[in-house]
Amino acid sequence: DGGITQSPKYLFRKEGQNVTLSCEQNLNHDAMYWYRQDPGQGLRLIYYSQIVNDFQKGDIAEGYSVSREKKESFPLTVTSAQKNPTAFYLCASHVGMRGPRSAQYFGPGTRLLVL
Amino acid sequence: AQSVTQLDSQVPVFEEAPVELRCNYSSSVSVYLFWYVQYPNQGLQLLLKYLSGSTLVESINGFEAEFNKSQTSFHLRKPSVHISDTAEYFCAVSTLYNQGGKLIFGQGTELSVKP
Repeated sequence: DGGITQSPKYLFRKEGQNVTLSCEQNLNHDAMYWYRQDPGQGLRLIYYSQIVNDFQKGDIAEGYSVSREKKESFPLTVTSAQKNPTAFYLCASHVGMRGPRSAQYFGPGTRLLVL
Repeated sequence: AQSVTQLDSQVPVFEEAPVELRCNYSSSVSVYLFWYVQYPNQGLQLLLKYLSGSTLVESINGFEAEFNKSQTSFHLRKPSVHISDTAEYFCAVSTLYNQGGKLIFGQGTELSVKP
């Protein structure tokens, strides 16, 4: 089955620690996205990548970093500089510039909690 | 630039009653419109989309949305809701010029169906 997987489902971070959230897709999509979701604030875009080895900051990139070394994978690192990391993190993919009329598809999410 | 406003943050309704979730958008160019549904602690699922053609679009579970260009709206409706429709619903907009399928999301509407 084609889809997007995120791991882990729950992640605990200690103060001062960097943690990495995994996102993998087997949909052969070019574009991938990371969103942060907080209660009452909808989805906010952290980073996105339209092609391998290239990515752009979204609206709230501070305290986060990403890499896109493979088409299938777009890991997100929450660094110690992110002072309020507790949130639900969603990864999404899109066919990309080959299909502007297509929708984004989402993974199941990772909930990050601070110890 | 585009923007999306979901006019109600919460909509409580009784089972088997009709419901309308309102979405207005702002854009200076032609748009593509999407409704996503999110069940608790899960990712977003595409419910329906308007790309072109007929202004009334339907989903497989009884929801429908109508694109109204003059009122810049894309309201979601269902004539009779079930308990299982309880979820958060997000309206989103994209355009041909949003390279890579970047979406602008509304803040979400929580639909709560009571027995």
